Amino acid sequence: DADVTQTPRNRITKTGKRIMLECSQTKGHDRMYWYRQDPGLGLRLIYYSFDVKDINKGEISDGYSVSRQAQAKFSLSLESAIPNQTALYFCATSGRGVAGANVLTFGAGSRLTVL
Amino acid sequence: ELKVEQNPLFLSMQEGKNYTIYCNYSTTSDRLYWYRQDPGKSLESLFVLLSNGAVKQEGRLMASLDTKARLSTLHITAAVHDLSATYFCAVHNDMRFGAGTRLTVKP
Repeated sequence: DADVTQTPRNRITKTGKRIMLECSQTKGHDRMYWYRQDPGLGLRLIYYSFDVKDINKGEISDGYSVSRQAQAKFSLSLESAIPNQTALYFCATSGRGVAGANVLTFGAGSRLTVL
Repeated sequence: ELKVEQNPLFLSMQEGKNYTIYCNYSTTSDRLYWYRQDPGKSLESLFVLLSNGAVKQEGRLMASLDTKARLSTLHITAAVHDLSATYFCAVHNDMRFGAGTRLTVKP
């Protein structure tokens, strides 16, 4: 099984629908992240969480919300999806590494299309 | 606001050639990361640079960090087709990524 599992892997939905992307990890990491990837824009951070009680906005949090249900689970919600939220979404985790290194382990990605 | 700029964004090179990818960032940071993404795949960690002057090498890739210049480089030596991928740098502050450099190595 993958260390970081994202579901669904692909989703097509319509404008205005509520969508939830789920992420679970088996690495025992405290930190979890949600990114979106758009061609030519790299990865942009949406939200991140350093533990169950800690949620922080990233670069582009508008239109998104998150829930950290447990140390191993971090879900991303689009309350009312719009077409410009069509993107590839990645969940990532990290632990407290050597010398403060914060190497990310990524899930396989969730491709979302909003029509 | 932290900005991370990579250049070039697209790089087409022939096998056997050398080239350097640059990653500039706008605020102080003493840690920088390089990741690789193969087409249709997720990202994998390549290098972790933890201090000024850090240099890491693996195979034909070598990464370095100059925190005073706010610059990291990823040097490719004698490129081979298997290195074709998109390479991203990420700065520790906010874990912000550059736009990526799409590398294509041609025979």
